Amino acid sequence: SQQGEEDPQALSIQEGENATMNCSYKTSINNLQWYRQNSGRGLVHLILIRSNEREKHSGRLRVTLDTSKKSSSLLITASRAADTASYFCATGPRNTGKLIFGQGTTLQVKP
Amino acid sequence: SQTIHQWPATLVQPVGSPLSLECTVEGTSNPNLYWYRQAAGRGLQLLFYSVGIGQISSEVPQNLSASRPQDRQFILSSKKLLLSDSGFYLCAWSAGQDGARDEQYFGPGTRLTVT
Repeated sequence: SQQGEEDPQALSIQEGENATMNCSYKTSINNLQWYRQNSGRGLVHLILIRSNEREKHSGRLRVTLDTSKKSSSLLITASRAADTASYFCATGPRNTGKLIFGQGTTLQVKP
Repeated sequence: SQTIHQWPATLVQPVGSPLSLECTVEGTSNPNLYWYRQAAGRGLQLLFYSVGIGQISSEVPQNLSASRPQDRQFILSSKKLLLSDSGFYLCAWSAGQDGARDEQYFGPGTRLTVT
């Protein structure tokens, strides 16, 4: 099974609302990363949070990491229609040298 | 600045035909390189990764192979395509010694349809 699993699988909100996506994982990690994918395109890196960090901000993005619960959340504040995309978490399990991606959350922001 | 190229962008191939997808990176040296496959509406499955020329790690036994003939070139191949090989193929690169510690940068992808 996948190392990282996002919840919910799909999310639909109105422009201006906040969007929260969650990610759970199974093993100890070096870091956790969030990526965005517009339909039919490659992934774009959003933010990386290391295992010794608890919270990180980047513009309208806020990421939290709880290593005791093996979970992370991505909050997008004041969402815009342009935020419509799929969002993936990816974990770097220790001593593996690679990232493992979850199944993603599809976010739709209605104007 | 660094850029990553993939081609072709789309490909329709019959079952049993060969495959060659190419990925090149510019603006960096000795990158870690990755091939992923994404089924419709799903997450990414890591197929191969490479930390140097001629060094390939395979993640999933299957009908595909990868090669890295040059430092910034990564090729995904198959001798005979199967219907199940259809999908969106993404190449990515990362810097540093440990691919799990650094962000990855993705190419635009190749949409492969096997008919």
